[in-house]
Amino acid sequence: EAQVTQNPRYLITVTGKKLTVTCSQNMNHEYMSWYRQDPGLGLRQIYYSMNVEVTDKGDVPEGYKVSRKEKRNFPLILESPSPNQTSLYFCASSLSQWGNEKLFFGSGTQLSVL
Amino acid sequence: AQTVTQSQPEMSVQEAETVTLSCTYDTSESNYYLFWYKQPPSRQMILVIRQEAYKQQNATENRFSVNFQKAAKSFSLKISDSQLGDTAMYFCACNNNDMRFGAGTRLTVKP
Repeated sequence: EAQVTQNPRYLITVTGKKLTVTCSQNMNHEYMSWYRQDPGLGLRQIYYSMNVEVTDKGDVPEGYKVSRKEKRNFPLILESPSPNQTSLYFCASSLSQWGNEKLFFGSGTQLSVL
Repeated sequence: AQTVTQSQPEMSVQEAETVTLSCTYDTSESNYYLFWYKQPPSRQMILVIRQEAYKQQNATENRFSVNFQKAAKSFSLKISDSQLGDTAMYFCACNNNDMRFGAGTRLTVKP
């Protein structure tokens, strides 16, 4: 089944404790992206990647890191989480970033930073 | 970068009636693509409908249709014969190599 697998689904952590949210897709998609969803703000892009070893900042990249060493994986890293990073996170992928391509989304990660 | 505005944070509709969700966008590009995504309580993001800006004809998918007004930069979603399963958050999005989402409209369908 074509899908984007994102883990964990829920995560509670404390300020400053490094964490990684994993994202993997099995559709050979070139484009992958991370979003955070906050009430009243919709989905805002954190980072995106157009292909292996190519990543770029989105609208809200501060406090996050990503890597794209393999085409299928695009982990999101919070080196030192802070409470303002409490949010719902989505990984997404598509064949390319251009045009009419549908975004396939993971199931989301609800992160709480205490 | 383009911006997307959804001016209705919440809406409600009676089952079987019709509802229209508003969306406006701003982009300097001439070629772009517009989308509506649905997010039910399960949090899953589901593509509802999409429209190419260069196409005059409004897209339709079963009970879902759009009213695309290019000059006004408006892209509203009409849901006909509303069903309880349509209760969800709806996001409008615009893509011209960089997908941007609106803040969302929470739609409740009442029995």
